[in-house]
Amino acid sequence: SQKIEQNSEALNIQEGKTATLTCNYTNYSPAYLQWYRQDPGRGPVFLLLIRENEKEKRKERLKVTFDTTLKQSLFHITASQPADSATYLCALDGGSSSASKIIFGSGTRLSIRP
Amino acid sequence: DGGITQSPKYLFRKEGQNVTLSCEQNLNHDAMYWYRQDPGQGLRLIYYSQIVNDFQKGDIAEGYSVSREKKESFPLTVTSAQKNPTAFYLCASSFRTGVTGELFFGEGSRLTVL
Repeated sequence: SQKIEQNSEALNIQEGKTATLTCNYTNYSPAYLQWYRQDPGRGPVFLLLIRENEKEKRKERLKVTFDTTLKQSLFHITASQPADSATYLCALDGGSSSASKIIFGSGTRLSIRP
Repeated sequence: DGGITQSPKYLFRKEGQNVTLSCEQNLNHDAMYWYRQDPGQGLRLIYYSQIVNDFQKGDIAEGYSVSREKKESFPLTVTSAQKNPTAFYLCASSFRTGVTGELFFGEGSRLTVL
């Protein structure tokens, strides 16, 4: 069955450093991968989308990579700030058999300490 | 303002009762989704719909039912058959399915079974 794993439940880093979060998937080939931010008690907010034929995508301090051979995406936040503290979720479409089915990983809770 | 609205925000229910959660969007989106989130976990897909009068089961559809009679509305009924319904429920919508399905989320409905 399709499975998505995010590398750790929690990540704690020093302000100003680069945070790197990992998303791995197995048993299918998605057409694209998305990253979302979720604050406590709120709905997730879309950050970035990367397609299967793209290696890297950037938006301000955010960078996403997508390696379809390794079946892995890395999400980087450079020059991290305490305001970046949140849970980050990766999401993938269901692949060719069910492209409109969007499924999520379990999330990584990121804490940036001053 | 355009957006996606869920109601109620908080809901309490006795065991054995059905309850319906409302989700309305005025973004003219084709696709709509329902997810469940348990404490400290990611989002699990309950049902999704690509067009009016059509919907598909997600990974945890048992004990839930939906309808899609209008493009703007996708209500979720949590039935008494759902064994552990206490959770945070999130509704989402997107423009197009199977292409670049950035999801827009509502603020969620927190259901507690007493």
